[in-house]
Amino acid sequence: AQSVTQLGSHVSVSEGALVLLRCNYSSSVPPYLFWYVQYPNQGLQLLLKYTTGATLVKGINGFEAEFKKSETSFHLTKPSAHMSDAAEYFCAVMTGANNLFFGTGTRLTVIP
Amino acid sequence: EAQVTQNPRYLITVTGKKLTVTCSQNMNHEYMSWYRQDPGLGLRQIYYSMNVEVTDKGDVPEGYKVSRKEKRNFPLILESPSPNQTSLYFCASSLWGTGGDTEAFFGQGTRLTVV
Repeated sequence: AQSVTQLGSHVSVSEGALVLLRCNYSSSVPPYLFWYVQYPNQGLQLLLKYTTGATLVKGINGFEAEFKKSETSFHLTKPSAHMSDAAEYFCAVMTGANNLFFGTGTRLTVIP
Repeated sequence: EAQVTQNPRYLITVTGKKLTVTCSQNMNHEYMSWYRQDPGLGLRQIYYSMNVEVTDKGDVPEGYKVSRKEKRNFPLILESPSPNQTSLYFCASSLWGTGGDTEAFFGQGTRLTVV
């Protein structure tokens, strides 16, 4: 069975500070892992994904995530937060059947 | 432009009055699915479809129906809506059978309120 745990439903950072959003997964098979972002009143947009190969994945808007199998983690980071990064972020794991299982989300607030 | 289109975006209805939320995609994707988003619970899958006439239950299918008569359309039907179905609903589509080498495209969402 697959599941995703996102630690921290709300994270606040100052503008220019490091963003770290945590995601741990459980999966009975090698996972495909995703981060999605949801801006207010919008749908979900793919930030980045890990399928196979390089464990450090770079996405859009300066975000990146590292797949750590030993820690079953896929944390999302960005070196310097921008006001436009304020949104809700979802980590998800995909089964071989294309089904996405989402975490409960982390709302990121960026303080000027 | 590749997109998933849901209608309506906002809907207020009364308990027991049947409603349909439409979803259409223009990317010729085999796989389509419906999710509901609730505060603190993230997105939970309601139903999914791997192709025309092939549908299956997700994690929270109770009170919902779907159909897939055409590849591009995947309507969500609430035969007798109840207040606990008040939620934000998302339709998504993707290529089928590519494992993780795919991207799910999401609609803009439908905010449903059942009173």
